Amino acid sequence: NAGVTQTPKFRILKIGQSMTLQCTQDMNHNYMYWYRQDPGMGLKLIYYSVGAGITDKGEVPNGYNVSRSTTEDFPLRLELAAPSQTSVYFCASSPRDRKDLAEAFFGQGTRLTVV
Amino acid sequence: EDQVTQSPEALRLQEGESSSLNCSYTVSGLRGLFWYRQDPGKGPEFLFTLYSAGEEKEKERLKATLTKKESFLHITAPKPEDSATYLCAVLSGSARQLTFGSGTQLTVLP
Repeated sequence: NAGVTQTPKFRILKIGQSMTLQCTQDMNHNYMYWYRQDPGMGLKLIYYSVGAGITDKGEVPNGYNVSRSTTEDFPLRLELAAPSQTSVYFCASSPRDRKDLAEAFFGQGTRLTVV
Repeated sequence: EDQVTQSPEALRLQEGESSSLNCSYTVSGLRGLFWYRQDPGKGPEFLFTLYSAGEEKEKERLKATLTKKESFLHITAPKPEDSATYLCAVLSGSARQLTFGSGTQLTVLP
């Protein structure tokens, strides 16, 4: 099993550009999450999904959008990139809604720099 | 607003030198306090959940304890493979998601 796969691993964007961070999982998990982690900080929840066709906002959703058309994929869209979106982005999946992340599987992360 | 403060920011230990990491918190109605390990370039790995003051959990060389205001992660006789960033997080009664501290970067030298 590949687990949770994120692409790309690194990206540099110019201010105002847009991009999509890809996330796919092959474990048939219903729950998927997007987090961002700023340097020397913990995680902040951006968006999450409890199943195909259902998404909801987390703590820091502004400037981002998501979709969940299939169980496997949960892409994160950045529109009009801003320097404040420079961060490391983690996608995670879980077989259950575990706010403590006890059963969550994480991708390797996408390091995004907006210049 | 929930707040979590971890100290120290960084800690260097010699192999076998036991120590403790601190996580102090301010929440309205604690539902749980959580410890994670994060290796460079990876997502956090869940270690422990503590629910009430006086509770303790152990895993190999790690032991987590909880009081009404803080939690400690005790590391006994650490090894170089214990080197990582250790994150603490809390979930309060009204919160939909975790509030994380900034972490303690632990380096264990051989």
